[in-house]
Amino acid sequence: EAGVVQSPRYKIIEKKQPVAFWCNPISGHNTLYWYRQNLGQGPELLIRYENEEAVDDSQLPKDRFSAERLKGVDSTLKIQPAELGDSAVYLCASSLFGGETQYFGPGTRLLVL
Amino acid sequence: SQKIEQNSEALNIQEGKTATLTCNYTNYSPAYLQWYRQDPGRGPVFLLLIRENEKEKRKERLKVTFDTTLKQSLFHITASQPADSATYLCALERDNFNKFYFGSGTKLNVKP
Repeated sequence: EAGVVQSPRYKIIEKKQPVAFWCNPISGHNTLYWYRQNLGQGPELLIRYENEEAVDDSQLPKDRFSAERLKGVDSTLKIQPAELGDSAVYLCASSLFGGETQYFGPGTRLLVL
Repeated sequence: SQKIEQNSEALNIQEGKTATLTCNYTNYSPAYLQWYRQDPGRGPVFLLLIRENEKEKRKERLKVTFDTTLKQSLFHITASQPADSATYLCALERDNFNKFYFGSGTKLNVKP
């Protein structure tokens, strides 16, 4: 069974540029999470989807971050414009609805110069 | 606000010994707590889950305890091996709907 797929794995951009990350969850997983992980820290939730509905986006900086999961399967997280402080690893995870176990992708490492 | 504390200093132990990692939390009573392993450049991998009404959970060489009075979980790896070297994260579930808060993790180094 394929795991959570994320792309790109690495991205280097200049500040004020836009950037997008893509995630394809495990087949059949209704719940999808986007996390940000700063160096030496644990993952912090940005947004959680149940199917195509964003049920928790309280930690998403909505002035520059946006996300979508149009058909309830894969998802895109966008930052526009990027700031230096956005440099981090962006992790996608998925689980069955109501499931207690999250399965993480390898993450996208973003460096903003 | 919820605060989760894990030892920020790396834990260095000799192969064959038991590694014990600590997760302390405040201001909340989670329904369950999880432990994950994270290797460099990879996403976290789920290891064990323990519920508030369970004192202890085991899986092969891994053991987790959960003391809701002390608000603490201990994670043990017995007969540790160099391959166990990684960062270990604890995560608390809150709001009874699969919202998780992660600690910052403890790096374990097992020396041969």
